[in-house]
Amino acid sequence: NAGVMQNPRHLVRRRGQEARLRCSPMKGHSHVYWYRQLPEEGLKFMVYLQKENIIDESGMPKERFSAEFPKEGPSILRIQQVVRGDSAAYFCASSPPSAGASEQYFGPGTRLTVT
Amino acid sequence: SQKIEQNSEALNIQEGKTATLTCNYTNYSPAYLQWYRQDPGRGPVFLLLIRENEKEKRKERLKVTFDTTLKQSLFHITASQPADSATYLCALDEGNTGFQKLVFGTGTRLLVSP
Repeated sequence: NAGVMQNPRHLVRRRGQEARLRCSPMKGHSHVYWYRQLPEEGLKFMVYLQKENIIDESGMPKERFSAEFPKEGPSILRIQQVVRGDSAAYFCASSPPSAGASEQYFGPGTRLTVT
Repeated sequence: SQKIEQNSEALNIQEGKTATLTCNYTNYSPAYLQWYRQDPGRGPVFLLLIRENEKEKRKERLKVTFDTTLKQSLFHITASQPADSATYLCALDEGNTGFQKLVFGTGTRLLVSP
């Protein structure tokens, strides 16, 4: 059973370009979470999605950031008009469709560098 | 304000000793708390989950305690090995959100020397 997959692993974008980060959850998992990790900072929750639904996006910046988890295909985190401050590691995690507490399975992350 | 704190200084210990890492939180009432391990350049890996009604949880050489009065969790690695060197993150459920919304500490780096 393949783990959570993220691609690309490294992404370099110039200021003003768009960044698209992809996440394929573990097989059978229908819950996807995106986190951002800045150097020397902890993981910060961004958004929680289920198939075709954004459940909570309270951690997402109001502008330029969007996320989706379509019926078919991976979850996408999209950052428009990137700025230097968007440089960070972005992690996706998934969990099974069970109620209550459960561990989250993380992907290897996408390291975004904005030049 | 709500805070979750881990010792930001690295913990250096010798192989074979017990490592103890601390996680303190304020203004949260988590139903459970989790510990993850993160190696450089990689995603976190789940280790243990402990619920508010559990005082202690063990898994092989790992032990976690959870004191909801002190608002603290302790994470122990017994008979530590150089391969245990990594950053250890605690995470708690923010609560009252209707889903598992985890808040992470900044992590404590553990260095186990041979």
